[in-house]
Amino acid sequence: QSALTQPRSVSGSPGQSVTISCTGTGRDVGGYSYVSWYQQRPGKAPKFMIYDVNKRPSGVPDRFSGSKSGNTASLRISGLQAEDEAHYYCCAYGGTYTFPYWVFGGGTQLTVL
Amino acid sequence: QVQLVESGGDVVQPGGSLTLSCVGSGFTFTDYGIHWVRQAPGKGLEWVAVVWYDGRDKFYGDSVKGRFTISRDNSKDTVQLQMNSLRAEDTAVYYCARGRSSTQDFDFWGQGTLVTVSS
Repeated sequence: QSALTQPRSVSGSPGQSVTISCTGTGRDVGGYSYVSWYQQRPGKAPKFMIYDVNKRPSGVPDRFSGSKSGNTASLRISGLQAEDEAHYYCCAYGGTYTFPYWVFGGGTQLTVL
Repeated sequence: QVQLVESGGDVVQPGGSLTLSCVGSGFTFTDYGIHWVRQAPGKGLEWVAVVWYDGRDKFYGDSVKGRFTISRDNSKDTVQLQMNSLRAEDTAVYYCARGRSSTQDFDFWGQGTLVTVSS
């Protein structure tokens, strides 16, 4: 159950695009399509942004998109806005039906310049 | 609207015990698993435990296995986390989150409750 690997920080100017990677193993990220992403602003609870690798819950702008290749998932944010500045965490389901686990990445600080 | 409200956070000495509660409203409680996720000060999120919709199956993260116990009372729409043998490294904000078994994610979160383990 080792934490997934994310870059500590990324940055971009308003209107630009950024991509945040999330690397796990064949037992979690690579083993299932159950990758989700969460946005967290300072002092607030995480907010659900992406599920099933690339699906958006109702109310999440289509500027947010997800993908996966092998053991690495990615979150792309296009048309950056000041309000996107936050920490982003990936999460993957892993293990087996009888011994499941959920593992988060270490988090990535997005700075909008 | 969906709401999850945690309570029970406190300051406790190392080796001590504490019980957290999470009350759900605005949804059919028995349709969902409930997770606990924690966040140490200035650190990232860590999955702690889950109890399935009917309370029969429970799973734990490696760092709390054998010390924490999760349970639920569907008659009160409540999930509890009993924490024993607390250590300094258990200091964190503890969030409860609604889990969707079909997609293995957390679609709604509470605001969290702070547990501080210190002498």
